[in-house]
Amino acid sequence: QQQVKQSPQSLIVQKGGISIINCAYENTAFDYFPWYQQFPGKGPALLIAIRPDVSEKKEGRFTISFNKSAKQFSLHIMDSQPGDSATYFCAASIAGSNYKLTFGKGTLLTVNP
Amino acid sequence: DAGVIQSPRHEVTEMGQEVTLRCKPISGHDYLFWYRQTMMRGLELLIYFNNNVPIDDSGMPEDRFSAKMPNASFSTLKIQPSEPRDSAVYFCASSLWPFYGYTFGSGTRLTVV
Repeated sequence: QQQVKQSPQSLIVQKGGISIINCAYENTAFDYFPWYQQFPGKGPALLIAIRPDVSEKKEGRFTISFNKSAKQFSLHIMDSQPGDSATYFCAASIAGSNYKLTFGKGTLLTVNP
Repeated sequence: DAGVIQSPRHEVTEMGQEVTLRCKPISGHDYLFWYRQTMMRGLELLIYFNNNVPIDDSGMPEDRFSAKMPNASFSTLKIQPSEPRDSAVYFCASSLWPFYGYTFGSGTRLTVV
């Protein structure tokens, strides 16, 4: 059972454009939603995270939008740059066990110059 | 800090052989995780430790897989005997309580021929 569904699988964006990656979850007990960024040959690295008590969190060009009623959250990358080309994973964890993450299957983002 | 250190970076072995993957977590981190990454299944949690004690090994696929953490600075994941379907990238990650996200190592790419 896939508890976190991520889309699209791949995304191509022009430099300066907005990249949007979406995730949906099923378990209403999830209460921590991070995004990880992975470059080829490297492990995933924490990019930004949100808890359900807020609807949006912004860090630089990266924004998480969270819709609790729809059980969806998304990552927006503003002014996308070629250096943002990577695989992005959403994840979720359950209250009281927020060290045990369930990951989406990832989105390969390519930003063309 | 050098981050989470995994060895070897690449391992090619023949079916039936024993494989041992190694991990050194970040000093002071009290949680250690082993993940497996494949194209088909994405990132899967195999097992995690808290203060060197295995807490949840429900993700370990078969009895052929075993993991140990003899001390706070070292963990191993062993596959015996290895099979071609074990080919994947294996990641070790560590974290600190309270939880602010994992730090992943660079992974071990295992190929079983």
